[in-house]
Amino acid sequence: QKEVEQNSGPLSVPEGAIASLNCTYSDRGSQSFFWYRQYSGKSPELIMFIYSNGDKEDGRFTAQLNKASQYVSLLIRDSQPSDSATYLCAVTSNSGYALNFGKGTSLLVTP
Amino acid sequence: ETGVTQSPTHLIKTRGQQVTLRCSSQSGHNTVSWYQQALGQGPQFIFQYYREEENGRGNFPPRFSGLQFPNYSSELNVNALELDDSALYLCASSLEKLLFGSGTQLSVL
Repeated sequence: QKEVEQNSGPLSVPEGAIASLNCTYSDRGSQSFFWYRQYSGKSPELIMFIYSNGDKEDGRFTAQLNKASQYVSLLIRDSQPSDSATYLCAVTSNSGYALNFGKGTSLLVTP
Repeated sequence: ETGVTQSPTHLIKTRGQQVTLRCSSQSGHNTVSWYQQALGQGPQFIFQYYREEENGRGNFPPRFSGLQFPNYSSELNVNALELDDSALYLCASSLEKLLFGSGTQLSVL
């Protein structure tokens, strides 16, 4: 079983819609959860992090964490074509210092 | 701007050669991590250095080695390059959250 799983997509949403990206993880001891955005040919950019169950909002982004279900999600409201990228979910490993990444979900926002 | 700078941006090597990738971070960032990202995959943890000592390693063979210097710069060395070493290599400064540099794209022919 992969430690962090994401649907590879592509997920296609129209401009202005809500994009919903999902991630599941296997290690119940994971404490910190991150979402990175990666444009083609670029390095990952941290956009959200969440440590506690519930929702965390930052601008158009909302991260949701449910530790009981081992599930993390990212909602992007009012999606823009510039949001088209690969979104990587990352979870702290049992070592505490390394991150385990999913393979990423490709998001395409169409005008 | 993450304050993490990597060089070179692109590199082409042939199988069996050795390569050194470099990373520099802002003063005070005394933890540095290296990740390998193959095409279509998420980044994979190689190792982490804290105060010039390796204090964590992922599932990579010993031909992947590193150094961290007192000036917060770091190196990743890969010996006996293999075709599968072709990837984007990412250096990250670790204070509270991993912030990546722009990466080095290594192609092994």
